[in-house]
Amino acid sequence: DAEITQSPRHKITETGRQVTLACHQTWNHNNMFWYRQDLGHGLRLIHYSYGVQDTNKGEVSDGYSVSRSNTEDLPLTLESAASSQTSVYFCASSVKAGVNEQFFGPGTRLTVL
Amino acid sequence: ILNVEQSPQSLHVQEGDSTNFTCSFPSSNFYALHWYRWETAKSPEALFVMTLNGDEKKKGRISATLNTKEGYSYLYIKGSQPEDSATYLCALGNTGGFKTIFGAGTRLFVKA
Repeated sequence: DAEITQSPRHKITETGRQVTLACHQTWNHNNMFWYRQDLGHGLRLIHYSYGVQDTNKGEVSDGYSVSRSNTEDLPLTLESAASSQTSVYFCASSVKAGVNEQFFGPGTRLTVL
Repeated sequence: ILNVEQSPQSLHVQEGDSTNFTCSFPSSNFYALHWYRWETAKSPEALFVMTLNGDEKKKGRISATLNTKEGYSYLYIKGSQPEDSATYLCALGNTGGFKTIFGAGTRLFVKA
């Protein structure tokens, strides 16, 4: 069965360190998204990609970067982790952005000390 | 900046009660409206997607309606059960960039 996975599921890191969160989907979807979930804010879009070599900034992209070298993977990198980036991160993918439902990964809980 | 508003923020009901929530969105450049169900410690799962004004969708005891002209959608749950306890997210897909903008959700608690 097709799926979307994230790793690690939990991560504790220190301020200033570079951290990369992995997202892998086997749906063969062109569109992939990264969100963060914080109390009172729901899901906020960090970065998104409409296909290989395409990346775009979302509403809270500062301090984050993504790359899309193949269809299956969209890794999210925190260049220099800050305590404000402590959050739960969700990756998602869809057939067509905006129209079709998004399929979400299980989430990564990141703590920055 | 597009804003998707959901109300109420949270709701406590008794088992067997029927309930409904509201999602409000800007009607310009509308493309699709999604509802997701998000249980604690799990990932959001799609319930419905609606694209046409007047659309109504139903899945078991849960149904949704869409008014694109006035910019709102209702989600109804008939005869709430404890397993309906979850956060219900609505999300707007619009033609300006084909992104999906999520509301903050309505947190439903159903007491047995």
